This record gives sequence, C-alpha cells and structure tokens, in this order.
Amino acid sequence: DGGITQSPKYLFRKEGQNVTLSCEQNLNHDAMYWYRQDPGQGLRLIYYSQIVNDFQKGDIAEGYSVSREKKESFPLTVTSAQKNPTAFYLCASSGQSSSYEQYFGPGTRLTVT
Amino acid sequence: QKEVEQDPGPLSVPEGAIVSLNCTYSNSAFQYFMWYRQYSRKGPELLMYTYSSGNKEDGRFTAQVDKSSKYISLFIRDSQPSDSATYLCAMHKSGGYQKVTFGIGTKLQVIP
Repeated sequence: DGGITQSPKYLFRKEGQNVTLSCEQNLNHDAMYWYRQDPGQGLRLIYYSQIVNDFQKGDIAEGYSVSREKKESFPLTVTSAQKNPTAFYLCASSGQSSSYEQYFGPGTRLTVT
Repeated sequence: QKEVEQDPGPLSVPEGAIVSLNCTYSNSAFQYFMWYRQYSRKGPELLMYTYSSGNKEDGRFTAQVDKSSKYISLFIRDSQPSDSATYLCAMHKSGGYQKVTFGIGTKLQVIP
C-alpha cells in the first residue's frame, strides 16, 4: 500500500534535548512538508521541500531543521532552540505540480517536559 | 483578520441529519478549495477538492464553492456516527508551488 509513515507515534523528551521525527513516503511524490498542529490553531507550515537536496522555510521554521537526502525521506529535527516544542507534528507529501493535493501521515505527538 | 475563517464548533447532530460545514476566506487569489477529515489523534485525510467555483459530489459528500461571496461549504447527507471527526477546510492559489492555508477545523459529533 502506498502511503506516508511517521515514527514514533508518541515521543517524550526533556527540555534542552534535540529530537528527530521520521517521515517516509512511498507515493513517489516529489514534494514533502512538515506542519505543526496546536489546539485552536490551523496547521502551520514549518518546512517544505519540492525536490531532493532542496528545502525552504515555512511560516514557523525557527527552532527546527530538516534534510532531504532521499526522495522518500524528510526528517524533522526539533532543536532545543524551539521555545514551545510540545505539539502534534504532521508530515505530508504531494506531486510537485499539485501542492493543493497533499496527503498526510498519521502524525507524531511530541511532549517536552 | 485571518485569511481563512472556520467555526471550531463543536457541532452536534443526530444520525441521519444533513450536516453543513462552512468556511469564509478573504484572499480572492485562492483557486483550489479542499476539505480534509481528521479523526482524533490521526493525520488529516483529503476528502475532496474543487477548482474555482461550483459543486462537486462524492457519495454522501458535496462541496460547494461560491467565489463571489468567498464562501465554501461541505454538505454531508445521511450523517453517520463514523462521520464524527474534525473537518478542515483548506485553500490554495494556482500557479507553481503555493502553500496551503488551512482553517482551524470544525469538530462534528453525530449522535446515534
């Protein structure tokens, strides 16, 4: 089955630690995205990548970093510089010319204490 | 003012009712209008998208876009308890890469 996987489903970290969230897709999509979802707020774009070895900052990139070394993979690192890292993180992908048609993974709930 | 406004609800309806979910927007450049369904603690699932104005139907779901009023709707006929979820509207401009702007979602509960 084609789809997007994110792991782990739940992640707990202590304040001051960096943490990397995994995202893999086998939809053969060129574009991949990371969003953050908080209660009472819409999805907010963190980073996106339209092609391998290239990525751009979204609306709330501060305190996050990404890499895109393979078409299938787009890991997100939440660094200790992110002031409010506790959130639900969603990865999505789309065709390069159809960014309106995004398909989401199941999400990772990150809790930092 | 947000580009996309969506009432967060919650909206409670009895099973079998027709549900109407709505969003308004302010940016006339939006050309693609999407509806996502999100179950609790899951990722959003794309239900359908519409380009420009008009209606689109898929089973019990109908999406409507009125660009003159900057208003979009999702209708669910014969609602089922399994339709209980949060429904997100989303919008996108055309031309090259454009980011998607999401509403905050409306929480729907269908009561058996």
